[in-house]
Amino acid sequence: GEDVEQSLFLSVREGDSSVINCTYTDSSSTYLYWYKQEPGAGLQLLTYIFSNMDMKQDQRLTVLLNKKDKHLSLRIADTQTGDSAIYFCPSGGGADGLTFGKGTHLIIQP
Amino acid sequence: EAQVTQNPRYLITVTGKKLTVTCSQNMNHEYMSWYRQDPGLGLRQIYYSMNVEVTDKGDVPEGYKVSRKEKRNFPLILESPSPNQTSLYFCASSPNGGGYNSPLHFGNGTRLTVT
Repeated sequence: GEDVEQSLFLSVREGDSSVINCTYTDSSSTYLYWYKQEPGAGLQLLTYIFSNMDMKQDQRLTVLLNKKDKHLSLRIADTQTGDSAIYFCPSGGGADGLTFGKGTHLIIQP
Repeated sequence: EAQVTQNPRYLITVTGKKLTVTCSQNMNHEYMSWYRQDPGLGLRQIYYSMNVEVTDKGDVPEGYKVSRKEKRNFPLILESPSPNQTSLYFCASSPNGGGYNSPLHFGNGTRLTVT
């Protein structure tokens, strides 16, 4: 199966909360990351969580980690049009790098 | 400014004409990597390098070559490009390892079209 599984699309109304879920297989990395890719741009590191934590809050972003179930989620509060992007939660890390899935396309409805 | 710089941003070429996409980082990172991004397939790793003169194949290395003669540069070489190499390419670097204890930093991408 895939190393990383995410829903391909998520549609939310502007101002609502967005929750992007991710299930991964490889949990060897010290950190788990969320990357954001805006249209026509590269991937930028959005936030990360230490693998021994279960929650991290960073302004509008909340990351939840369930290491037992290998489940990671990203909650974006008060979703704005600027949040429209593809979000990736790569797994792995080490000599052969991070494994990226297809990402979740976040679509914001006015 | 700390960054990963790829050139060119856009490239259109013909089948069989050798090309090189350059990648340079100014953060003294040991680890560098190339990915390609295709619709419906996500990002897939082509090659990576743990340090100078050390390179290894990723998931989709066929048709590509790389070299790492200096720490800062990691060019991607297509000796004989084919249309199935039309894609969006990203170079990435990290201090050490490939995201194990520090994130990958990405360039802005190179959109390659092979006709």
